[in-house]
Amino acid sequence: EPEVTQTPSHQVTQMGQEVILRCVPISNHLYFYWYRQILGQKVEFLVSFYNNEISEKSEIFDDQFSVERPDGSNFTLKIRSTKLEDSAMYFCASRAQLENEQFFGPGTRLTVL
Amino acid sequence: KQEVTQIPAALSVPEGENLVLNCSFTDSAIYNLQWFRQDPGKGLTSLLLIQSSQREQTSGRLNASLDKSSGRSTLYIAASQPGDSATYLCAVRRSYGNNRLAFGKGNQVVVIP
Repeated sequence: EPEVTQTPSHQVTQMGQEVILRCVPISNHLYFYWYRQILGQKVEFLVSFYNNEISEKSEIFDDQFSVERPDGSNFTLKIRSTKLEDSAMYFCASRAQLENEQFFGPGTRLTVL
Repeated sequence: KQEVTQIPAALSVPEGENLVLNCSFTDSAIYNLQWFRQDPGKGLTSLLLIQSSQREQTSGRLNASLDKSSGRSTLYIAASQPGDSATYLCAVRRSYGNNRLAFGKGNQVVVIP
């Protein structure tokens, strides 16, 4: 069964460093999302992406964040200068054109030291 | 702003009992509602999606109901098994053009053998 995959599963970085989190959405899906979950808190929406542009973003998604679909399969989230409070589990999700269900990847645990 | 609340936050039941998990949301103008399962340190697995025009959805031992006007959904799990131990998340999507899912904090379930 097709699934969303994410790499790496765990990323440790120093404060101020740039990180890129990678996702491979389900192959025929056209809508892509990033969410995050700080330990013990709710899953929070960051950004949605469709037709090679951001369609919606939350207040969390400031200038430190960017997304890109560099080729036909990958979808990336870049954090330019990480802060301690960026430590969280980051989930990628995707959705098909005429469907409503969002499918989530296993997540990348980001630890900022 | 949509607020999603899940009660109870945690519960333990003996194997074989039926589970009843509650989700409430403050803005009844939703497009759909999705229930997920999350295992510790893992991603989100979609269980059921209910469109705003529907009253319930069923999949195997799982049944989810939706009362949009009162801002409530209930997930029923029949004849619980130890493998049902997980956190169950409820998420609502506000409108057709609004992609983001707003999540509750989850119902953490332990099924005792």
